[in-house]
Amino acid sequence: GESVGLHLPTLSVQEGDNSIINCAYSNSASDYFIWYKQESGKGPQFIIDIRSNMDKRQGQRVTVLLNKTVKHLSLQIAATQPGDSAVYFCAENIDQTGANNLFFGTGTRLTVIP
Amino acid sequence: DTEVTQTPKHLVMGMTNKKSLKCEQHMGHRAMYWYKQKAKKPPELMFVYSYEKLSINESVPSRFSPECPNSSLLNLHLHALQPEDSALYLCASSWGVGENTEAFFGQGTRLTVV
Repeated sequence: GESVGLHLPTLSVQEGDNSIINCAYSNSASDYFIWYKQESGKGPQFIIDIRSNMDKRQGQRVTVLLNKTVKHLSLQIAATQPGDSAVYFCAENIDQTGANNLFFGTGTRLTVIP
Repeated sequence: DTEVTQTPKHLVMGMTNKKSLKCEQHMGHRAMYWYKQKAKKPPELMFVYSYEKLSINESVPSRFSPECPNSSLLNLHLHALQPEDSALYLCASSWGVGENTEAFFGQGTRLTVV
């Protein structure tokens, strides 16, 4: 598989603060990236995506930044809430023989302190 | 309906048993996936079906046998598994192969091999 790694395995933030989760990827051919949130006992839940022709995308309280020069992806969560506590995965999509193929990074566990 | 439904939620099986995991989606997605997730690890891709045909097999042992009876259903047949195969098995679907869109995940089947 391809290498998609995260800089920090755990992150603790105070409720109301902003959170930043980072991700490095190694395949310059990756053209599409997704952030997923996974709560305990559940499947991954889509948060936000970004295509390689963009460097920033915003959603509700979340922003994804893509720096293709250094192959770096980040997820910013504004005004972090206790419900944001979960494991966050970045995933890169590489077209292989015409098929989409999602490779997941190691994951970062976000803990929000009330 | 934006759900991917997996059954059963939990499964305990012996090493000589034959069992099947089932996955269903009614979003009109034409690509379906099986992932395996060990504890505290990211999901790992096993199989990709595109338009009901197997397009990717990530070197998965033959004791795992996927089947796609129609565009809404995906099965994973299990036979002669080992204890190390115990994991969360996740099904996902997306609009189509070759299109950059997010994959929607089910809640998974927690499999224990004894």
